[in-house]
Amino acid sequence: EAEVAQSPRYKITEKSQAVAFWCDPISGHATLYWYRQILGQGPELLVQFQDESVVDDSQLPKDRFSAERLKGVDSTLKIQPAELGDSAMYLCASSPVGGSEEQYFGPGTRLTVT
Amino acid sequence: DQQVKQNSPSLSVQEGRISILNCDYTNSMFDYFLWYKKYPAEGPTFLISISSIKDKNEDGRFTVFLNKSAKHLSLHIVPSQPGDSAVYFCAASTGNQFYFGTGTSLTVIP
Repeated sequence: EAEVAQSPRYKITEKSQAVAFWCDPISGHATLYWYRQILGQGPELLVQFQDESVVDDSQLPKDRFSAERLKGVDSTLKIQPAELGDSAMYLCASSPVGGSEEQYFGPGTRLTVT
Repeated sequence: DQQVKQNSPSLSVQEGRISILNCDYTNSMFDYFLWYKKYPAEGPTFLISISSIKDKNEDGRFTVFLNKSAKHLSLHIVPSQPGDSAVYFCAASTGNQFYFGTGTSLTVIP
């Protein structure tokens, strides 16, 4: 069964350092999402791609976060510099098309900023 | 502003009994509702969904009910099994945007 791949699974970094996460969606899925989930809360959308284009990054802290999906397939989310409050689970999800379709989530990257 | 709310952070149910998880929303423009299940150290897994034009959708032991007038949906699991123990998130979408609740941790007691 096709799955969304994410790496690394766990990342510990010191504040002010740069960190990057990678996501490979299910093959053929045009829409890719990055979410941040803080413990005890639901996932919150950071950025959404349709193919290689950003369709929603209104909740992305653009002073320190960036995301790209250059060829419309895999994607990278970067934080520079990392802050203590960035400690969270970063989830990637994909869906066949945009709109009201179920999303398929990857296992996530657990980030700890010290 | 939390548009999707799960007011019960946890729920314990005896094996074989019914589990009922509740979710409320505020945005009448939501046209699709979903339930996800999440085990520790894993990403959420899609469970079941319902379109806003329906009031019930059933898939095996899982049934989702939608009450649009009350802006309320619920997930029923019958019978509950220990393997159902997980965190359940409800989500609502309109167009391209998805909004998640804070989750309910379900424990099914053998």
